[in-house]
Amino acid sequence: DIQMTQSPSSLSASVGDRVTITCRASQSVSTYLNWYQHKPRKAPKLLIYAASNLQSGVPSRFSGSGSGTDFTLTINSLQPEDFATYFCQQSYTTALSFGGGTKVEIK
Amino acid sequence: EVQLVESGGGLVQPGGSLRLSCAASGFTLSSYEMNWVRQAPGKGLEWVSYISYSGSTIYYADSVKGRFTISRDNAENSLHLQMNSLRVEDTAVYYCVRDGMVIKSDYWGQGTLVTVSA
Repeated sequence: DIQMTQSPSSLSASVGDRVTITCRASQSVSTYLNWYQHKPRKAPKLLIYAASNLQSGVPSRFSGSGSGTDFTLTINSLQPEDFATYFCQQSYTTALSFGGGTKVEIK
Repeated sequence: EVQLVESGGGLVQPGGSLRLSCAASGFTLSSYEMNWVRQAPGKGLEWVSYISYSGSTIYYADSVKGRFTISRDNAENSLHLQMNSLRVEDTAVYYCVRDGMVIKSDYWGQGTLVTVSA
């Protein structure tokens, strides 16, 4: 099974800040890597697919990069509605696996 | 609008059974592969099971193999998860997840809570 390690597990940031979250796979997943935003009692929302592609309707302040084993989600100019938990997911294998999540809190 | 709505969660004793359902709307279920994913309280997400378009190909996580059964009713646009021999460690929010034609895991439901406790 492919293990996904995400960091940090939480962070505090202010509106307008730039935030970077990283995800590392235990083996190469090529670019089969998605990023999601998850708010309590809501369905997780796809932000970035195939490592660097912005899902339709997602603000351009969100961006993703990486390939192989190392990936990054960047949020430029954090907005109030961006305070949430973010997680990565590999779909290189049918047995999907996920990062542990990063909770982005208001400083 | 694509919507996935899970139901069937609740409180069950260890060794008991539950059947989860996922009602799909806004798209034709038969054109999509589907998954169940769960998240235990305070833990990360865990993939549970996969089913192909017609149901001919099915995979399970080792943790549920032999106890859970995934199925689909394309005519009713619904996905199911039959959970037997439930254990305390099966306590989690269970999500129904669609694999898009181009993008894997493109839509998720809001989840349904399963609590296994005496």
